[in-house]
Amino acid sequence: SQTIHQWPATLVQPVGSPLSLECTVEGTSNPNLYWYRQAAGRGLQLLFYSVGIGQISSEVPQNLSASRPQDRQFILSSKKLLLSDSGFYLCAWSVRPGTNSPLHFGNGTRLTVT
Amino acid sequence: DQQVKQNSPSLSVQEGRISILNCDYTNSMFDYFLWYKKYPAEGPTFLISISSIKDKNEDGRFTVFLNKSAKHLSLHIVPSQPGDSAVYFCAAIIIQGAQKLVFGQGTRLTINP
Repeated sequence: SQTIHQWPATLVQPVGSPLSLECTVEGTSNPNLYWYRQAAGRGLQLLFYSVGIGQISSEVPQNLSASRPQDRQFILSSKKLLLSDSGFYLCAWSVRPGTNSPLHFGNGTRLTVT
Repeated sequence: DQQVKQNSPSLSVQEGRISILNCDYTNSMFDYFLWYKKYPAEGPTFLISISSIKDKNEDGRFTVFLNKSAKHLSLHIVPSQPGDSAVYFCAAIIIQGAQKLVFGQGTRLTINP
């Protein structure tokens, strides 16, 4: 069966510090991978998605970047965190396009920038 | 531009009664609509979906209704149980391309004993 791992679960970082959140998927190949952020009162906002290794699409301009160094690994990064980067970050995967399979989410990372 | 909207941030329902969660959308190109349930400090979990060519899909206590002319869908939970207390997200997807799921803002459902 497929599983998705996301870590850390919680993170407190000072403004200006770097960020690296990691997500890995097991039990499937060539998944679509996604980073979402849940901010208070704003639902789930898509930040990045990837359809293959090294292929990253950004949905909104921001202080963050994403990378996919391996097929089942998705990393969310920042060189210098801002207060506004605080939120609940969720990694998700789905099978290839052309189906209606739902996204499967990790348990998220609560990031607090102080 | 909020393509998927859930205008009720919260809903309180008595145990055993019907819970009705509503969702509106603006993009007529969406192929599927999905509902996700989320507990605090956890990722959302998929609940039920409906194709844009259907008007109803049922799975146990959960039924989703789609009204394409009104660009409106709803999730019915009956009977409501305490374990149903969670945040519910409506989402929509265009399956061509990267399957980008567009979410609503969420509705916090509280089931009262």
